[in-house]
Amino acid sequence: AQSVAQPEDQVNVAEGNPLTVKCTYSVSGNPYLFWYVQYPNRGLQFLLKYITGDNLVKGSYGFEAEFNKSQTSFHLKKPSALVSDSALYFCAVRGFGNEKLTFGTGTRLTIIP
Amino acid sequence: DSGVTQTPKHLITATGQRVTLRCSPRSGDLSVYWYQQSLDQGLQFLIQYYNGEERAKGNILERFSAQQFPDLHSELNLSSLELGDSALYFCASNTFTTDTQYFGPGTRLTVL
Repeated sequence: AQSVAQPEDQVNVAEGNPLTVKCTYSVSGNPYLFWYVQYPNRGLQFLLKYITGDNLVKGSYGFEAEFNKSQTSFHLKKPSALVSDSALYFCAVRGFGNEKLTFGTGTRLTIIP
Repeated sequence: DSGVTQTPKHLITATGQRVTLRCSPRSGDLSVYWYQQSLDQGLQFLIQYYNGEERAKGNILERFSAQQFPDLHSELNLSSLELGDSALYFCASNTFTTDTQYFGPGTRLTVL
C-alpha cells in the first residue's frame, strides 16, 4: 500500500521569507512523487515531480522540492514567498507499475503581507 | 489551463437521483482517471480507464460507474445519490511518457 503524510494542516509565512511544506511518503519500490497546488474554485495544478535523478527538482512558479530517500520525504520549498502563493498544496505518490495517485490531506499555505 | 475539460462545472440534484459527469482528456492522452475530493475523505482515486478499457479501480462505490468512449472522452455515472456523495469530482489524464496526471477544473456536485 502507498501513503502520504502532510503533517501540517496550515502553514503561515511572511511575504519574502522562505517557505517549506512538508511531505513524507510510504511506497513499495522506487517512488514517483508529485506536488500539486489548488487555488479556490480551481482544479489541481501540477507543480513538479520526482521520478529519478537529481534529488533537488525545480518546478513552476519558483518552487522546488528535495527528495530524501533515507527520510522518505519530499518537502516543497521556495526561497522567497509571494502573497499569490497562498493556496492548498497536495503531495502525491505512486509506485512503479501503479498509476493510481495517493494524495496527502493537503496543507493550506497562507502568505502574510 | 491543463487541457482537460469537465462538464458541468456545478450540479445540484436531489437524493435518489442519477447524474452523469463528463470529461475530455488532453489531446493525445489515452488514460483517464477519476478522483473524488470531499471534506471528510480528502482526495480519493475512484477509477482509471486506458484507451476504452478499465485499468484500475479504487474506492468506487457500486452505485458509481464509468466508461471511456472511442473518442477517449469519459463519463462518470453516479446513481441513487446520497447526501454524502456531495463532493468535487476531478478527472485527470496523462501519457505514459511523462507520467504526470493533468487535472481538469472539476465538477462540484451538491446533493440536497
